[in-house]
Amino acid sequence: DGGITQSPKYLFRKEGQNVTLSCEQNLNHDAMYWYRQDPGQGLRLIYYSQIVNDFQKGDIAEGYSVSREKKESFPLTVTSAQKNPTAFYLCASSKTGDPANYGYTFGSGTRLTVV
Amino acid sequence: QQQVKQSPQSLIVQKGGIPIINCAYENTAFDYFPWYQQFPGKGPALLIAIRPDVSEKKEGRFTISFNKSAKQFSLHIMDSQPGDSATYFCAASKEDNFNKFYFGSGTKLNVKP
Repeated sequence: DGGITQSPKYLFRKEGQNVTLSCEQNLNHDAMYWYRQDPGQGLRLIYYSQIVNDFQKGDIAEGYSVSREKKESFPLTVTSAQKNPTAFYLCASSKTGDPANYGYTFGSGTRLTVV
Repeated sequence: QQQVKQSPQSLIVQKGGIPIINCAYENTAFDYFPWYQQFPGKGPALLIAIRPDVSEKKEGRFTISFNKSAKQFSLHIMDSQPGDSATYFCAASKEDNFNKFYFGSGTKLNVKP
């Protein structure tokens, strides 16, 4: 079955530590996205990528970094510069320029907690 | 500034009731309005979507009503079932920039048996 796989499901980070969240898709989608979900605030866009080796900042990119070396993979690194990283992180993908017809396909998320 | 405002934050209805979730937007350039359903521990899934050229769209028990002049749209769930208990998000985007979706803050729906 095609879909998006996020790992790990739960992640704990110590203060000052960088952590990387994995996102892999086998849907042959060109575009991939990272969203952050906080209680009462909906989903906020961190980064997105329309093609390999290219990505753009979303609304809350500070303290995060991404790479897109392969079409299938879009890992997100939460750096020590992100002051409040505890949240639920969602990866999504879509056919380029056409989520109106196909919508986003979301992964099951990674819950990151700072300890 | 929140581009899409969603209410209520939570909603409890009895089985068979018709919960209504409302969203309002400011940017008149938005022209695509999807609703997403999210179960605990899962990612959201596209439920139904509407464009502003129609005032209503139905898919099964789910209906979107759209009021372009008021810049509001709402989700109605007919004959609601306990399995509909989830968090619902509305969203908005512009057709020339589908990479930028603005999501509402979500409504947690509980349908009691």
